[in-house]
Amino acid sequence: AQSVTQLGSHVSVSEGALVLLRCNYSSSVPPYLFWYVQYPNQGLQLLLKYTTGATLVKGINGFEAEFKKSETSFHLTKPSAHMSDAAEYFCAVWPKIGSARQLTFGSGTQLTVLP
Amino acid sequence: DTEVTQTPKHLVMGMTNKKSLKCEQHMGHRAMYWYKQKAKKPPELMFVYSYEKLSINESVPSRFSPECPNSSLLNLHLHALQPEDSALYLCASSRVGQNTGELFFGEGSRLTVL
Repeated sequence: AQSVTQLGSHVSVSEGALVLLRCNYSSSVPPYLFWYVQYPNQGLQLLLKYTTGATLVKGINGFEAEFKKSETSFHLTKPSAHMSDAAEYFCAVWPKIGSARQLTFGSGTQLTVLP
Repeated sequence: DTEVTQTPKHLVMGMTNKKSLKCEQHMGHRAMYWYKQKAKKPPELMFVYSYEKLSINESVPSRFSPECPNSSLLNLHLHALQPEDSALYLCASSRVGQNTGELFFGEGSRLTVL
């Protein structure tokens, strides 16, 4: 069974500082990997995804993530935080094999950006 | 702008009421999903429709009744709900063939059960 672990339910950074949100997955076959963002009172928006190819993927709003198979990780980064980045971030996985596949979410990380 | 539209955005209902949540997408996706999300928690899968047929039901109580009238529409009928059913209900859609798991979510319907 797939599982996703997000280390740190709350992360605070200063405006302009590096953002690092951690995600590790547990699966014998590396799954497809996603980061979604949820702003207050809104639905989920896809930030970026890794399916195949280059392991460093770039997403919207200056975010990027790197798939590291050896570490079973897919950490999300942004070089310089902006106030508008304050939101809930969910890492998610979708298995590459299996019949009843579904998206499995991590528990989420609340990002606070301090002025 | 989201390409998955959910109505209503907010709904307040009593425990004896019958109401429905609606979801519409025009991206040609043939898989549609209902999720329930409590505050500060990840979304929990409730139902999946594939080609208008129910393919996954995650042991959801019968007071929630999904319906997929056509490939663009998804409804969630609500009856005799409990206060603990208060949550954000999210609809999503995706491709079926060559699906890499990318789901497109609506903005949700926030339900309060009194």
